[in-house]
Amino acid sequence: EPEVTQTPSHQVTQMGQEVILRCVPISNHLYFYWYRQILGQKVEFLVSFYNNEISEKSEIFDDQFSVERPDGSNFTLKIRSTKLEDSAMYFCASRGTGVGEQYFGPGTRLTVT
Amino acid sequence: AQSVTQLGSHVSVSEGALVLLRCNYSSSVPPYLFWYVQYPNQGLQLLLKYTSAATLVKGINGFEAEFKKSETSFHLTKPSAHMSDAAEYFCAVSPNQAGTALIFGKGTTLSVSS
Repeated sequence: EPEVTQTPSHQVTQMGQEVILRCVPISNHLYFYWYRQILGQKVEFLVSFYNNEISEKSEIFDDQFSVERPDGSNFTLKIRSTKLEDSAMYFCASRGTGVGEQYFGPGTRLTVT
Repeated sequence: AQSVTQLGSHVSVSEGALVLLRCNYSSSVPPYLFWYVQYPNQGLQLLLKYTSAATLVKGINGFEAEFKKSETSFHLTKPSAHMSDAAEYFCAVSPNQAGTALIFGKGTTLSVSS
């Protein structure tokens, strides 16, 4: 069964450093998403991406964040200068066409020290 | 704006007992509703979805949910709990199918005792 994969599973970084979280969506999907879940809190939407551009973003997704689909398979989230409050589990999701659900990856746990 | 409220952050049941996880939504348009499950150290897995077809939706692992517009509810049920059902459950809403973000509730942790 096709699945969304994410790497790394756990990333530890120092405050102020740049991090790139990587995702490989399901191959025939067209819509891509990033969500985050701070420990003990609910899953929050960050950004959606379709046709090589951002289609929607939340207030959380400020200038420190960017997304890219550098090739036909990867979808990345970059945090330019990490802050302590960026520590969270980051989930990638993808969706096909029609009335479809979003398929989530296993997440990357980002720890900023 | 859409929102989701899950009543009860933690629900405990005995094995074989009825599972009832509550979800109420707020939406200005007919919503699409989802229940996701998260097992420890894993991602979110779709249990079931409501997309304006039948109001009683059956999902995987014996779960089902009923959309009640008059009550703005989409509660998740399972007649008989199994130990393997212990996980965190999230209700989510989307105003339409067109690539829109999912808005999640805070989640309910289900514990199942033998």
